[in-house]
Amino acid sequence: NAGVTQTPKFQVLKTGQSMTLQCAQDMNHEYMSWYRQDPGMGLRLIHYSVGAGITDQGEVPNGYNVSRSTTEDFPLRLLSAAPSQTSVYFCASTRQRLPGYEQYFGPGTRLTVT
Amino acid sequence: TQLLEQSPQFLSIQEGENLTVYCNSSSVFSSLQWYRQEPGEGPVLLVTVVTGGEVKKLKRLTFQFGDARKDSSLHITAAQPGDTGLYLCAGARNTDKLIFGTGTRLQVFP
Repeated sequence: NAGVTQTPKFQVLKTGQSMTLQCAQDMNHEYMSWYRQDPGMGLRLIHYSVGAGITDQGEVPNGYNVSRSTTEDFPLRLLSAAPSQTSVYFCASTRQRLPGYEQYFGPGTRLTVT
Repeated sequence: TQLLEQSPQFLSIQEGENLTVYCNSSSVFSSLQWYRQEPGEGPVLLVTVVTGGEVKKLKRLTFQFGDARKDSSLHITAAQPGDTGLYLCAGARNTDKLIFGTGTRLQVFP
């Protein structure tokens, strides 16, 4: 059972480039989310999805797009990378909507934008 | 605006010492979770508390949810090097969104 997988593990982009961070889960979870983690700020929610075809914005959505065509996959797209998007990105899934349900996190993608 | 503030931000202690980490907010949460994160990995859930005043124990870790459900604490007894990591609290407010705290980085030296 792989859980939540993320690719790539590391990525370096130049300002203005675009890319997609991949996230997949094999637990048949309806709820998936993307966070970014910056020093001293914990994790901040970028976008989330409560099921296939349904997405919504989190706390810091600007500069990012998501889609949810299947239950398993929830890719995060950076449209035009900026140095402020240098961060560690985590994808997470949970069996049911909050509150109180455990979120399962992927291993993260460390992104550097130069 | 950070809704959940954790203190201290950093903590370095010797093996065998006790410690307490605090998670404070001015907002009421319907439930609160504590996660631990090790370098290069995602956070892993330790506990969920849902009732004001609730206390949960996980071996040497004791978690408490404040009576007003605005704050929480994590107490570790006789810390061990294996407790080293980043501790994150996270609160839910009857929405689809989980709010994470600022984190406490713990280093336990042998």
